[in-house]
Amino acid sequence: DADVTQTPRNRITKTGKRIMLECSQTKGHDRMYWYRQDPGLGLRLIYYSFDVKDINKGEISDGYSVSRQAQAKFSLSLESAIPNQTALYFCATSDALIGSGANVLTFGAGSRLTVL
Amino acid sequence: DAKTTQPTSMDCAEGRAANLPCNHSTISGNEYVYWYRQIHSQGPQYIIHGLKNNETNEMASLIITEDRKSSTLILPHATLRDTAVYYCIVRVVRLIDAGGTSYGKLTFGQGTILTVHP
Repeated sequence: DADVTQTPRNRITKTGKRIMLECSQTKGHDRMYWYRQDPGLGLRLIYYSFDVKDINKGEISDGYSVSRQAQAKFSLSLESAIPNQTALYFCATSDALIGSGANVLTFGAGSRLTVL
Repeated sequence: DAKTTQPTSMDCAEGRAANLPCNHSTISGNEYVYWYRQIHSQGPQYIIHGLKNNETNEMASLIITEDRKSSTLILPHATLRDTAVYYCIVRVVRLIDAGGTSYGKLTFGQGTILTVHP
């Protein structure tokens, strides 16, 4: 089984629908992240969480919300999806170790979302 | 964080060493160099990181120049499965976890598309 599991892997939805992308991890890491990737734009950070009680906005949080249900689970919601949220979404985790290893991220396989 | 510059694309013959350069001329003393790769539409994969000294692991070697303004990722014996986009990232690491705001907020640029040919 993968260390970081994302569901669904692919989803097509319509404008205005509510969508939830889920992420679970078996790494035992405290820190979890949601990124989106658009062609030619690299990965951009949406939200991140350093523990169950901690949620932080990233570069592009507008139109998104998150929930950290447990140490191992971090979900991303689009309350009312719009076409420009069509993208590849990645969940990632990292350890809370102080030092250079804290920037070592483990990524999930991605969730491809299409909003029509 | 320091900006990085990488070539847009590179080719390499299977079995040969792939040397991927990265320029980070504005790097500061407390910034590490990280390398990740992303195989088509898969999640990025961590490869290696370093500060000053050259580093080697089971995947690759990282050579950092003495002035730390550039580095090279070396895949010693490239295979077809190494075809991917390679990202060079420079990131500060704080010695004390003061809320951890620096961690994990890696900025992925355009990277280098490495194509390994048979």
